[in-house]
Formats: sequence, C-alpha cells, structure tokens
Amino acid sequence: AQSVTQLGSHVSVSEGALVLLRCNYSSSVPPYLFWYVQYPNQGLQLLLKYTSAATLVKGINGFEAEFKKSETSFHLTKPSAHMSDAAEYFCAVSDPWSGGGADGLTFGKGTHLIIQP
Amino acid sequence: NAGVTQTPKFRVLKTGQSMTLLCAQDMNHEYMYWYRQDPGMGLRLIHYSVGEGTTAKGEVPDGYNVSRLKKQNFLLGLESAAPSQTSVYFCASNSDGTYRNEQFFGPGTRLTVL
Repeated sequence: AQSVTQLGSHVSVSEGALVLLRCNYSSSVPPYLFWYVQYPNQGLQLLLKYTSAATLVKGINGFEAEFKKSETSFHLTKPSAHMSDAAEYFCAVSDPWSGGGADGLTFGKGTHLIIQP
Repeated sequence: NAGVTQTPKFRVLKTGQSMTLLCAQDMNHEYMYWYRQDPGMGLRLIHYSVGEGTTAKGEVPDGYNVSRLKKQNFLLGLESAAPSQTSVYFCASNSDGTYRNEQFFGPGTRLTVL
C-alpha cells in the first residue's frame, strides 16, 4: 500500500523567501502525485499534479514541484513567499495499480505554512 | 457551475443522535468520495462510490453509511453519533476515477458531537 510522508507539520518562512515543503512517498510503482492547498475554512484546491510526463511540474500561484524517483520525493517550492500563501498544504498519492485510483487518494498529514512579514 | 456543494456547513449533535450529510455535484462525475479531516491526520477516506447505485468502504468506514441513489448526490449518514466522529467532513468527486485526474472538493461540513 502506498503512503505519504510530509516532513514538518509547520513551516515558517519570511515574506519573499523561498518556500520548500517536503513530500516523500512510498509505493511499489511510480505513483501519480498531487499537491493540494487548503485556505482557512475552505475545501481543498489542486495546486499541481505529476502524471508521468515532465518531472518538473508547474502549478498555480507560482508553485512548482519536482518528481525525483531515486529519492521517492515530490517537494513543493516557490521562489518568493507571499502573505497570501499562508495555508495548509497536502501531498497526496494515487497508485495506478491500486484500484486504478477509484478508491481515492492517500494524503499526507499536511504542512501548515506560516509567512512572517 | 457550482462544482461540489455540501450541506450543512456546521452541525452540533448529541451522542446517539443521527444525521445525514448531503453532497451534490453538477459536473456529471461518476466517482464520489467522503473524507474526514482531523488535526494532524490529514484526510482519510470513509466511503466512496464509482457510480450511481454503488458504494464501497474506504479506510475508516465504521460508524458511517452512505448511499448514491442519484448520480449527482452522495449521502453520508451517522446512525448513532459518537464524540470520536467530531471532525470536518469533505466530499469530493472525480470524472472517471482514474489516477490521472484530480478530485474536486466541496467546502466541508464541520461536525461536533457532544
């Protein structure tokens, strides 16, 4: 069964600094990977997804992530943090060999991003 | 296009009471899901449906029942609520359930069981 580990339940960066949120997955085959963002009191919104095309994936709001098979990682980055980036971020995995994805996503526990002015 | 909607947004129950959460989507999606979100736990799948009239158990199905009588609606029921079911519940839908496609989430229902 696949699993997702997000290192750091809370990450604090200064406005304008680099954002790096870490995600490692465990899967017997290369999975499909997603990053979602949750703003306070809202549902989840897709930031970006990796589906075995380019290993560097660009998403909305200036975020990008790189799939590294050798490190089983899919870390999320943004060159310059903005106050509006403060939110909860979730990494999720869908295993193509586990029900074809029909049985839902497996989520990490989330990382709360704090932006210091 | 409203996307995925959930009712109610908030609810407080007493232990032993029952209730139904309604999820509706207007995107003609086949697949629908119910998750619960607890602090430090991420989202965990409760039940899901791969089409009208079908349901299946997810990771944490105990204490919940679901029904998918119409393609656009997915109902989550709590027959006898327990404090352990205090959580935020999210519904999601997906066009064809394949692993390539994103899931679209509703705004959530915050449930407190006293």
